[in-house]
Amino acid sequence: GQQVMQIPQYQHVQEGEDFTTYCNSSTTLSNIQWYKQRPGGHPVFLIQLVKSGEVKKQKRLTFQFGEAKKNSSLHITATQTTDVGTYFCAGPAGAGSYQLTFGKGTKLSVIP
Amino acid sequence: EADIYQTPRYLVIGTGKKITLECSQTMGHDKMYWYQQDPGMELHLIHYSYGVNSTEKGDLSSESTVSRIRTEHFPLTLESARPSHTSQYLCASSELLTGVEEQYFGPGTRLTVT
Repeated sequence: GQQVMQIPQYQHVQEGEDFTTYCNSSTTLSNIQWYKQRPGGHPVFLIQLVKSGEVKKQKRLTFQFGEAKKNSSLHITATQTTDVGTYFCAGPAGAGSYQLTFGKGTKLSVIP
Repeated sequence: EADIYQTPRYLVIGTGKKITLECSQTMGHDKMYWYQQDPGMELHLIHYSYGVNSTEKGDLSSESTVSRIRTEHFPLTLESARPSHTSQYLCASSELLTGVEEQYFGPGTRLTVT
């Protein structure tokens, strides 16, 4: 079945440093979503990418969808302590499916 | 702020007890989901529903059952709780709007079975 792999599993950065998490799918995705889960909280939707090669920005966050629609990345510029949490990518579980297969997530720690 | 609620937020219960985790949403979403998540780990889909009287099992085998009698309500039941059921259970709902199927998550129920 559909597999979504995410690396790294953990990342510790000094405040102000950049951070990137990568997501790879075993199959071509119709879209990819990103979620953030703060410690002790629940996942919150960040963005959905649909088009091949798409790049979207939200303030210091930059999301990319690969040309082959099998990989994606989330880049945070100049991390802040408010960025702490686990970032998950998720893709449709199958063609035309509304269910999501989540990656294992990247847990970001920011050292002040 | 998403209008999706889960009760209880925390539950400690003994082995063999029957429990029901409640999930309600006021957004009128047709699709609802139950995920199981161990602390700091990935989310595993255990049940989903596309609408009233529709329920399906997810990727992760679970001994729980669900029902969807009303659009807004999607309870999860464990007939006989075991320590292996200790985990966090997250409920979510979604609706396709302008091409985006965003999932809204509830705050979760942290279940401990002793």
